[in-house]
This record gives sequence, structure tokens and C-alpha cells, in this order.
Amino acid sequence: DVKVTQSSRYLVKRTGEKVFLECVQDMDHENMFWYRQDPGLGLRLIYFSYDVKMKEKGDIPEGYSVSREKKERFSLILESASTNQTSMYLCASSRTANNQPQHFGDGTRLSIL
Amino acid sequence: AQSVTQLGSHVSVSEGALVLLRCNYSSSVPPYLFWYVQYPNQGLQLLLKYTTGATLVKGINGFEAEFKKSETSFHLTKPSAHMSDAAEYFCAVSDGQAGTALIFGKGTTLSVSS
Repeated sequence: DVKVTQSSRYLVKRTGEKVFLECVQDMDHENMFWYRQDPGLGLRLIYFSYDVKMKEKGDIPEGYSVSREKKERFSLILESASTNQTSMYLCASSRTANNQPQHFGDGTRLSIL
Repeated sequence: AQSVTQLGSHVSVSEGALVLLRCNYSSSVPPYLFWYVQYPNQGLQLLLKYTTGATLVKGINGFEAEFKKSETSFHLTKPSAHMSDAAEYFCAVSDGQAGTALIFGKGTTLSVSS
């Protein structure tokens, strides 16, 4: 089975801090994704990566950056955390073939105080 | 641009009743369609997917969905609800281009009462 592991289930940070969310997948998937999930808004794509060192902006990239130095790891960075970034963050991975589903981690519930 | 609409943000059924969760999509190309389930404080788990071939797709936990091109729909059904089916369900569409992200609906919360 595919395993997508997010480093923290719950995280509490303060406004202005630089926050790192880490995601690791063990199935050699080419694609990796970061979403945020908010009640009533569903999942919104922040960034995705289709190869090492490659990244594409999603629908809501403002205030975020990403890093993919190794194929199995995709990091989401909140440059200067703000309260409106309090949310559930979900990482996913998939193979490149266009009929392949995404596999999700368990999520990180981030609170910015 | 592609989009997904899930009709009804909340659906309530009794245990043993039919479950019907609605999903309509828009796509200019033949889509790939997915249903995911999310239990509280967990990530999303794939229920089933349609790519090509048979339009009635069977998934895990007794769920199935039918792709109807003429209606641009991909509704999720289960003949008899269990308490354990209570969760949030997401429909998603892909435009079929390799390496692109899925587009998700806003989700439907299913409640099951005894």
C-alpha cells in the first residue's frame, strides 16, 4: 500500500513564524500535492510538483512556498504565518499517468495564534 | 475549465436506507472521475474511480457510481447505509493531462441515524 506520511498531526504556531510542513511518500510517485481544507470550501490546491525541483502554483499559492529536493519529500513553507492560515493541510502523491488517483496523508491541523 | 458540483452539503439517511450522493462535472474533454471518503481527523481515502470502459464502477465498502456522459454526472450510491458510512465524501475530476491536479467538489457530509 502507498504510504503518505505527514510529519505532524497537530501543530500550533504564532503569527509571524516561519512554518514547515513535511510530507514523505514511499511509492516513488512523480507527483506530489499540497492542499488546504476548510469547512464549506472543500480542498483547495496550494502547490504541486511533478518532478524533483519542479513546482507549479495551484489556486491559492499566496503566502506559501514549497521545496522538493528529493523525489519522496515535498515540504510546504509558510513564510510568515498569519491567523488566516489556520487550517487542515493535506499532502497527496500520485503517478504521472493521467488516470492514476492521488493518495493522501492523514493531514496536519495547523493553528496560528 | 473543469469544475465539480456536489449537490447537497449534508445528506441524512437512516441505517439500511439507500445512499445517494450527487456529483455533476463540467469538462471539455473526456474526464477521469473519482470519489473519496474522509473520516474524522483523517486524510482522504479513494472509494472508486472511472477512467474508461464500463460506466458502472464498483468500489470499496459496497459503494458504486455510474458515469453518465449525457447528464455529466457521476453519482455515488450504496443500497443499504451502515452507521460506519458516516463521513465526508468528495467527488473529483481530472482533465486527463498527465501530471495535473484533481479538481475537487466542496464535499457532502453523510449522516446515518439508527
